[in-house]
Amino acid sequence: DIVMTQSPDSLAVPLGERATIDCKSSQSVLFSSNNKNYLAWYQQKPGQPPKLLISWASTRESGVPDRFSGSGSGTDFTLTISSLQAEDVAVYYCQQYDNIPWTFGQGTTVEIK
Amino acid sequence: QMQLQESGPGLVKPSETLSLTCSVSGGSLSSHYWGWIRQPPGKGLEWIGYIFYNGDTKYNPSLESRVSLSIDTSKSQFSLKVQSVTAADTAVYYCARIPPYCGGDCYFDLWGRGTLVTVSS
Repeated sequence: DIVMTQSPDSLAVPLGERATIDCKSSQSVLFSSNNKNYLAWYQQKPGQPPKLLISWASTRESGVPDRFSGSGSGTDFTLTISSLQAEDVAVYYCQQYDNIPWTFGQGTTVEIK
Repeated sequence: QMQLQESGPGLVKPSETLSLTCSVSGGSLSSHYWGWIRQPPGKGLEWIGYIFYNGDTKYNPSLESRVSLSIDTSKSQFSLKVQSVTAADTAVYYCARIPPYCGGDCYFDLWGRGTLVTVSS
């Protein structure tokens, strides 16, 4: 199985500041035939299901604020919130869909400092 | 706007079978893959499996011996069964949609609200 490891487990950022979450996969999730990274990011608020933010490592889902961005390739990926807002308090997960079984990172809790 | 809704018993006894249904409204099951994910209380996400509208399935190998998925396009529903449950199967179970253009290997772009299933005698 591909192991997805997120860092940090939690972070507290002042309102308006940048928040950065890293996700590392135990093997590459870059599919060479189409040069796509099979990596998604989700946001989960308390009592709610996960919500898709980013697919293919860097493609923002329709309706997702542009302060959210994804980057990286191969085994190393980053989710950046450029200016943290109160409504961004949540747990964030990365997911690889390159290999069965699809696997998720352990989650990163983002709070306001 | 398509919506997904899980339904089924909230309490299942150990060694019995957990059965859940996901009802899809606002759209057709055709052309999409449909998945199940679970989340033990206070923990992370685990992919269970997915099913195509034609009945093709893929399962998480760690659960494959106990899990089966089925689909009924006439009722706009797909279902999950987990046999021989233990306390470790206690979780919020989510159904979710996979975009049609991915051919299976893809992310989940729409989720149900989830339903908590507790395994206890």
